[in-house]
Amino acid sequence: GENVEQHPSTLSVQEGDSAVIKCTYSDSASNYFPWYKQELGKRPQLIIDIRSNVGEKKDQRIAVTLNKTAKHFSLHITETQPEDSAVYFCAANTGGFKTIFGAGTRLFVKA
Amino acid sequence: NAGVMQNPRHLVRRRGQEARLRCSPMKGHSHVYWYRQLPEEGLKFMVYLQKENIIDESGMPKERFSAEFPKEGPSILRIQQVVRGDSAAYFCASSNRQSYNEQFFGPGTRLTVL
Repeated sequence: GENVEQHPSTLSVQEGDSAVIKCTYSDSASNYFPWYKQELGKRPQLIIDIRSNVGEKKDQRIAVTLNKTAKHFSLHITETQPEDSAVYFCAANTGGFKTIFGAGTRLFVKA
Repeated sequence: NAGVMQNPRHLVRRRGQEARLRCSPMKGHSHVYWYRQLPEEGLKFMVYLQKENIIDESGMPKERFSAEFPKEGPSILRIQQVVRGDSAAYFCASSNRQSYNEQFFGPGTRLTVL
């Protein structure tokens, strides 16, 4: 079955710097890759997603890139702000109902 | 524009008791997913249901756990004879028929077993 690995597990950056979180997946049939942000004690919320027919997608300060050949995808947050501090989860889906999540990256943005 | 609703938000049970967790999907959504999140860990898929059908329960322990999504009313995740290791946050998510991999999460139920 699908396996998703996520790195790093913890990331600390200075406000204004960029943050990059990387994920790899095992199932080459995966074609949908959402990213979720989870603040402490809250629900995971979808922040951006990418499908396998594109290599990059951007939404304001966040962007996601996908390399299908290497089976990895990354989340990029530019000009980080303290409110970006949260746990971020990547996930992979083969187009069916089962979404497999990475273990999460705890991002700290220091003011 | 009500999102996914879950109740209770917090549930405390003693070992051996039963826990019943409820999830109402977003309006127009007929697919429900249950996930378990242990402290400091990711989301683990448990079960996927459509109305009156369990489609995949491969992530759910074979004993003590059951799930249903009746024709009327919310989806229920039931844990019988709870043990301390069941303490976790249980999230439900829903999606619609047209885009079933775009899942929207509820606020979760935090189960504590004493």
